[in-house]
Amino acid sequence: SQQGEEDPQALSIQEGENATMNCSYKTSINNLQWYRQNSGRGLVHLILIRSNEREKHSGRLRVTLDTSKKSSSLLITASRAADTASYFCATVTGRRALTFGSGTRLQVQP
Amino acid sequence: EAGVVQSPRYKIIEKKQPVAFWCNPISGHNTLYWYLQNLGQGPELLIRYENEEAVDDSQLPKDRFSAERLKGVDSTLKIQPAELGDSAVYLCASSPRTSGSYNEQFFGPGTRLTVL
Repeated sequence: SQQGEEDPQALSIQEGENATMNCSYKTSINNLQWYRQNSGRGLVHLILIRSNEREKHSGRLRVTLDTSKKSSSLLITASRAADTASYFCATVTGRRALTFGSGTRLQVQP
Repeated sequence: EAGVVQSPRYKIIEKKQPVAFWCNPISGHNTLYWYLQNLGQGPELLIRYENEEAVDDSQLPKDRFSAERLKGVDSTLKIQPAELGDSAVYLCASSPRTSGSYNEQFFGPGTRLTVL
């Protein structure tokens, strides 16, 4: 079963623009992670935010977490064509297993 | 450092045939996971190993799926017999020993299974 729901399901932007993806989840979490998956390749971990954190940065990535609303957002600034991929949020509960959402497919036009 | 290795990368079989997937995790990673990913969806956990012990196999369809991780390193996932609905990508992931809530996982490239 999918814990998270990403929004939008698909996003198309021009190179240089910012991309924002949202994730909502259902149960209490230990942490929330974002992964990227390029076409035909495996998943790559991008960033992890713990339940007691509200915002985290890594390079051009900014993640926010609102546990009261059970939601998170991923912002990619100054997007590049190489950012074209599917982005998944995944939550960690007491079971310590990742529960993934259905993903946002991002297309960055050169 | 070598990543998670999976083989084969692609497999095409006819329904009712058996199939097996192999995974070699990152050296030193105690925890190993098998996920199933359907087209357009996120991965779903099938089984999680801590060393050689399967600690969470609640999502594994045990009538046809089986897995093993002998010696706590390599792992094999088997389907027997395969059904049309098993067509998907099977992902293997590993992570260092679980501690607290930190749980970054490292994924292999996956095996794309097509059942005809």
